[in-house]
Amino acid sequence: DQQVKQNSPSLSVQEGRISILNCDYTNSMFDYFLWYKKYPAEGPTFLISISSIKDKNEDGRFTVFLNKSAKHLSLHIVPSQPGDSAVYFCAATNSGYALNFGKGTSLLVTP
Amino acid sequence: DSGVTQTPKHLITATGQRVTLRCSPRSGDLSVYWYQQSLDQGLQFLIHYYNGEERAKGNILERFSAQQFPDLHSELNLSSLELGDSALYFCASSIRTGGNEKLFFGSGTQLSVL
Repeated sequence: DQQVKQNSPSLSVQEGRISILNCDYTNSMFDYFLWYKKYPAEGPTFLISISSIKDKNEDGRFTVFLNKSAKHLSLHIVPSQPGDSAVYFCAATNSGYALNFGKGTSLLVTP
Repeated sequence: DSGVTQTPKHLITATGQRVTLRCSPRSGDLSVYWYQQSLDQGLQFLIHYYNGEERAKGNILERFSAQQFPDLHSELNLSSLELGDSALYFCASSIRTGGNEKLFFGSGTQLSVL
């Protein structure tokens, strides 16, 4: 049972534009959400997170938005750069339990 | 470099065989997590150890087992291997336990069962 869903397997964006990656979850007990980024032949690396008590968290070019009523979060990358091309995983947890990951969205930023 | 070391990087074996994957966590990290990434399932949580003790189990098959040793390294044992066990297996570590900890992942072991 996939509790974290990333319905877009891939996304292509032009350099300099905004990339928006979406994630939906089904478990209302999740209270902490994270985004991980993965390059080929490497493990996922932490990118940004948000607690359920917030609706927005920003870190440089990366912003995560959380809509609890819709059980939806999104990652915005502005401006997108070619080095951002990677697979992005959305993850969620109920404090004290292991992360539940989505299947990932492959982002391609073209020059 | 995340500081988490996984060996081997690649493993090719036959159905019915048994393999052991090894993980050395970051220095000072007490928690070790194992995840499986297959083509159509994304990252699936298998098992979590904290300071040598099993803390949580996810979608881990009975044919699979793990342990964490006193020096905190961990091993994932996969037995009676099937074609469907072919996947990328990741180990991750964190200082403590608890879902709000960000995890540091190794680069994975690619298992191919032929």
